[in-house]
Amino acid sequence: AQSVTQLGSHVSVSEGALVLLRCNYSSSVPPYLFWYVQYPNQGLQLLLKYTTGATLVKGINGFEAEFKKSETSFHLTKPSAHMSDAAEYFCAVSGPAKRGSNYKLTFGKGTLLTVNP
Amino acid sequence: DTAVSQTPKYLVTQMGNDKSIKCEQNLGHDTMYWYKQDSKKFLKIMFSYNNKELIINETVPNRFSPKSPDKAHLNLHINSLELGDSAVYFCASTKGNYGYTFGSGTRLTVV
Repeated sequence: AQSVTQLGSHVSVSEGALVLLRCNYSSSVPPYLFWYVQYPNQGLQLLLKYTTGATLVKGINGFEAEFKKSETSFHLTKPSAHMSDAAEYFCAVSGPAKRGSNYKLTFGKGTLLTVNP
Repeated sequence: DTAVSQTPKYLVTQMGNDKSIKCEQNLGHDTMYWYKQDSKKFLKIMFSYNNKELIINETVPNRFSPKSPDKAHLNLHINSLELGDSAVYFCASTKGNYGYTFGSGTRLTVV
């Protein structure tokens, strides 16, 4: 079984400040990890993903995340927040790709990021 | 050139009615999903189809019935709608395990 815990349902930062959204996971198999962003009244857009290899992954819009196996974490960061970053962010976990696997994604409960001018 | 498209975008209906939501993807993906997002934004998987075969069926009331006529389409039919069915329903697709592509959602309101 897999699960995701996102610490903090709401994070508020000032424009230009560091963004840090926390995600911890639980998985009995090597995890594939994802961050998605959801803007109001829209679907989810993939920000970045970790599958294997380099543990620091870069995504769109200047976001990056680091997979830390020892801490079972996959925190999302951005050096400088923009007003346009205000949205709901979801961390998700899946198992490794296997032929015939269902690739089920289990999501965290989301973190709402607000950016203050 | 929409990748995953859902129709309708909004659906308002009375309790007890039967309704369908349609989903189509033009990405050549072989696995499609339905997720439900509740009022607290929590996303929960409902169903998954791989090449028209049902492979995930979570604990969803049997009033919900998915149907996949081909691997590019996954529809969701809901019988006897209840107030608690009000939510946003997302269709998604994937090829392999490299991240889903989501549709823009169908906001269902049962009154």
